[in-house]
Amino acid sequence: TQLLEQSPQFLSIQEGENLTVYCNSSSVFSSLQWYRQEPGEGPVLLVTVVTGGEVKKLKRLTFQFGDARKDSSLHITAAQPGDTGLYLCAGKTGGFKTIFGAGTRLFVKA
Amino acid sequence: AAGVIQSPRHLIKEKRETATLKCYPIPRHDTVYWYQQGPGQDPQFLISFYEKMQSDKGSIPDRFSAQQFSDYHSELNMSSLELGDSALYFCASSPGQGSLDEQYFGPGTRLTVT
Repeated sequence: TQLLEQSPQFLSIQEGENLTVYCNSSSVFSSLQWYRQEPGEGPVLLVTVVTGGEVKKLKRLTFQFGDARKDSSLHITAAQPGDTGLYLCAGKTGGFKTIFGAGTRLFVKA
Repeated sequence: AAGVIQSPRHLIKEKRETATLKCYPIPRHDTVYWYQQGPGQDPQFLISFYEKMQSDKGSIPDRFSAQQFSDYHSELNMSSLELGDSALYFCASSPGQGSLDEQYFGPGTRLTVT
């Protein structure tokens, strides 16, 4: 059973379109991270959200943490081919153990 | 900026052999995490160390063991290798304990068991 559910699992869009990726759980997380991973490489941290309702922006990427700290979303505005990759959400319920979602594989066509 | 270093990058072993993966965290990072990622899967947490002590344990098989040394580098020892152990193994480091610390991943070791 996946503790963190990500949707959609796969997304193929045209350059310039907007998209939103969702990360949902029935558990409360003390913090939640979003990573981007290229094939054969390690995940690269994009952002950490900690406070319920928090919104963080990273250029064209907007991250939101749900009020109850059980869910998060990643919105990309005007997607570019360079955004192509696997997007992973990950959370800690406390301590050191990190749980990853199954990932959303994004493909942006030029 | 210095990143997490993992060695070797690629490793091919036969069934029932042993393997040792090494991880050198970012300088001044005292926490190390190990993950296993199968093809098309998300990273699965194996084990973590803080200040050379095991801090948490995930889905690490009993055939695997790990430790963190005085210089904070870590090694993952894998014995009686099975075909199903073929995967990417990532090490990540963070600058301290607690739930807010962000993890920085290494490039991974690709283990192939034949």
